[in-house]
Amino acid sequence: AQSVTQLGSHVSVSEGALVLLRCNYSSSVPPYLFWYVQYPNQGLQLLLKYTSAATLVKGINGFEAEFKKSETSFHLTKPSAHMSDAAEYFCAVSGGSRTALIFGKGTTLSVSS
Amino acid sequence: DTGVSQDPRHKITKRGQNVTFRCDPISEHNRLYWYRQTLGQGPEFLTYFQNEAQLEKSRLLSDRFSAERPKGSFSTLEIQRTEQGDSAMYLCASSLNGNWETQYFGPGTRLLVL
Repeated sequence: AQSVTQLGSHVSVSEGALVLLRCNYSSSVPPYLFWYVQYPNQGLQLLLKYTSAATLVKGINGFEAEFKKSETSFHLTKPSAHMSDAAEYFCAVSGGSRTALIFGKGTTLSVSS
Repeated sequence: DTGVSQDPRHKITKRGQNVTFRCDPISEHNRLYWYRQTLGQGPEFLTYFQNEAQLEKSRLLSDRFSAERPKGSFSTLEIQRTEQGDSAMYLCASSLNGNWETQYFGPGTRLLVL
């Protein structure tokens, strides 16, 4: 079975500081991993995805994530936070049938000036 | 590319009533997914279509729920005899068959059952 655990339901950073959102996964098959962002009253937007190619994945808006099989982790980072990064972030893993996405509970990122 | 659209965006209904939601995927996308998101949780998979065929349903999709995609384009999700526990955001997503892992989500329909 596949599952995702996001560590920390709420992360607060100052503008310009490093953003680190943690995600650990469990998968009985080689995983595909994703990070999505959700702004208020908007749909989920794909930030980046890992599909068994390069372990360091670069996404939109300056975000990147590193797949670490030994740690079963796929943490999301951004070197310098911007006020516009404030949103809810979801980590997801593909289901075994390669159709459904299985999401974590989300992490709300707050950015203060 | 107009994106995935959903209608209505908000629905308030009384317990026991039936409701129907519509999803229009990105035009060339042959896969369509429905997810449900409750407060403080991530989206949970409900069902998916490849063209007009419903190929997978989760255990969350009780007998009161039915989804259709009759011509392989738009899809409807109907909930019969709504219960307060059905209150949630219902999300639709679509993708290409050959790039299933890139799912594009609509803005969702927020359902409140009183």
